[in-house]
Amino acid sequence: QVQLVQSGAEVKKPGASVKVSCKASGYTFTSYGISWVRQAPGQGLEWMGWISAYNGNTNYAQKLQGRVTMTTDTSTSTAYMELRSLRSDDTAVYYCARDGGYCSSTSCPIMDVWGKGTTVTVSS
Amino acid sequence: DIQMTQSPSAMSASVGDRVTITCRASQGISNYLAWFQQKPGKVPKRLIYAASSLQSGVPSRFSGSGSGTEFTLTISSLQPEDFATYYCLQHNSYTYTFGQGTKLEIK
Repeated sequence: QVQLVQSGAEVKKPGASVKVSCKASGYTFTSYGISWVRQAPGQGLEWMGWISAYNGNTNYAQKLQGRVTMTTDTSTSTAYMELRSLRSDDTAVYYCARDGGYCSSTSCPIMDVWGKGTTVTVSS
Repeated sequence: DIQMTQSPSAMSASVGDRVTITCRASQGISNYLAWFQQKPGKVPKRLIYAASSLQSGVPSRFSGSGSGTEFTLTISSLQPEDFATYYCLQHNSYTYTFGQGTKLEIK
């Protein structure tokens, strides 16, 4: 079955970086992309960006431009999200979701499968 | 960036009620809209895609409608398992936007 398995929880100090992984299985990795979404404690969902697993093209949320980098490793069907210069308000659960980046008359794989989430805590 | 205004932010309702949640886009997004349900401590789950298409396995009491700038999610007869937070998502532009969420509580 289609599955996204994320890396484990992280605790980081302010100013540090974190890199979260998302390993895909059960589908052709390069036929889709991956969106990253985060959720601060008690808050709503925030879209962070998207990467194509086909060619590595990325779109990032404006507020994270310059601090976030999304990459993929097609040899292992794994997507990565790195966030730098961490602040306390980056404390959140980080999700990856399969995202083909398109909807057609027969298919609309926009965030149809999600990973279980990775908790990132930023604290001194 | 396209802004999504979701309303209400919270509501209470009873089992069996008909409930409607609205999302308005700051500019036209055609039908590039999805609805998600999230229960406390759980992963978001897609209910509706392309504004009105029901995700496989989702009960038919859920329906979506709209196009352009105004969209609705309707639950025709609330069940106990439907009490959750609901989010809309626009994916018309290169950058996506979620609505602020609607927390649906038991009356």
